[in-house]
Amino acid sequence: DAKTTQPTSMDCAEGRAANLPCNHSTISGNEYVYWYRQIHSQGPQYIIHGLKNNETNEMASLIITEDRKSSTLILPHATLRDTAVYYCIVRGHSGNTPLVFGKGTRLSVIA
Amino acid sequence: DTAVSQTPKYLVTQMGNDKSIKCEQNLGHDTMYWYKQDSKKFLKIMFSYNNKELIINETVPNRFSPKSPDKAHLNLHINSLELGDSAVYFCAVRQNYGYTFGSGTRLTVV
Repeated sequence: DAKTTQPTSMDCAEGRAANLPCNHSTISGNEYVYWYRQIHSQGPQYIIHGLKNNETNEMASLIITEDRKSSTLILPHATLRDTAVYYCIVRGHSGNTPLVFGKGTRLSVIA
Repeated sequence: DTAVSQTPKYLVTQMGNDKSIKCEQNLGHDTMYWYKQDSKKFLKIMFSYNNKELIINETVPNRFSPKSPDKAHLNLHINSLELGDSAVYFCAVRQNYGYTFGSGTRLTVV
């Protein structure tokens, strides 16, 4: 899997948008960008994924640059319950290659 | 019903014992995984099973043996437990768009 680079930690005020960046400069053409998060003491939770187009679902938006070398996960209105470690992962969509987790970004939402 | 359930949630045991952690899924998908999260919070893949067959076996001591009696279950048996085995173990199921993880089993070896 291509490696990703994320900031170690970020803070965000409650109610504001949280923008979490991820660099994946070695991504190959058939690899998707996945985002997961892990709230304290829970299993990782799928958030969103994309190939090259921007994506939005009920949890978040994913903005992927045109050259696909970086992306940003956006939580439009962060709440205290969004405090978690957020993982950006790059992998192919098919096959049995497992998700490989890096260190992620620890997001703290502050009241 | 919980999609991916693990039992037990907590397990405290002495060094040298043999223990098992169970994982059951009702999602109907074929590929299941075991991950280990150590005290430094790194999540590492251990095993991958597809349709009851071992697909991936990362560098894991042979004291760890996954067993899949059927497509809905992937159990993890650990022999001769060591202090370094203390961690949270997560089971996961691969679906079309991503993985669903269980809530984890916190294993403490004393």
